[in-house]
Amino acid sequence: AQSVTQLGSHVSVSEGALVLLRCNYSSSVPPYLFWYVQYPNQGLQLLLKYTTGATLVKGINGFEAEFKKSETSFHLTKPSAHMSDAAEYFCAVSDGLSGGSQGNLIFGKGTKLSVKP
Amino acid sequence: ETGVTQSPTHLIKTRGQQVTLRCSSQSGHNTVSWYQQALGQGPQFIFQYYREEENGRGNFPPRFSGLQFPNYSSELNVNALELDDSALYLCASSPGASGRAPQETQYFGPGTRLLVL
Repeated sequence: AQSVTQLGSHVSVSEGALVLLRCNYSSSVPPYLFWYVQYPNQGLQLLLKYTTGATLVKGINGFEAEFKKSETSFHLTKPSAHMSDAAEYFCAVSDGLSGGSQGNLIFGKGTKLSVKP
Repeated sequence: ETGVTQSPTHLIKTRGQQVTLRCSSQSGHNTVSWYQQALGQGPQFIFQYYREEENGRGNFPPRFSGLQFPNYSSELNVNALELDDSALYLCASSPGASGRAPQETQYFGPGTRLLVL
């Protein structure tokens, strides 16, 4: 079965510091990987996704993530944190297996990012 | 272009009651997925509709049911509400060019927050 593990339920950084949010996945088939952001009392917004091709994926708001098959990881980074980045971030793998749940997202438990001034 | 909308935004019900949540998909999207997000957790897949037919289902009991209409809007119905049904219910739409497509981006609405007392 596919699964996602996000290390660290809460990450705190200073404004201007590097943001690193960790995501590891488990999948028996080539994965499709996603990062979503959720601001308080809102739905999920796609930051970036990996399907095939280039393993370094650039997303919105200066975020990027690198797919590392050997490490089964898809960590999210941003060189310089901004106050507006404070939110909850979810890593997800898309169920590429056949059957009833194919094509649906399996989410990690999320990492809440705080940005200190 | 109108994004995914959901109604109502908030709802309070008592145990044993029934509830209907509504979702309007993004223009041009024929696939709708529903997710349940309990407090402090990542979203969990409930089911998906593609061209008015259920296209996949997660690990939820039959008292969770749904519909998709010819205009691709959708309803989620929950019967015999339990306290544990309290959660944020998210609807997501995707283009659905080929039905179950694990690489497609799902676009989320703002959610309906359900409280069961």
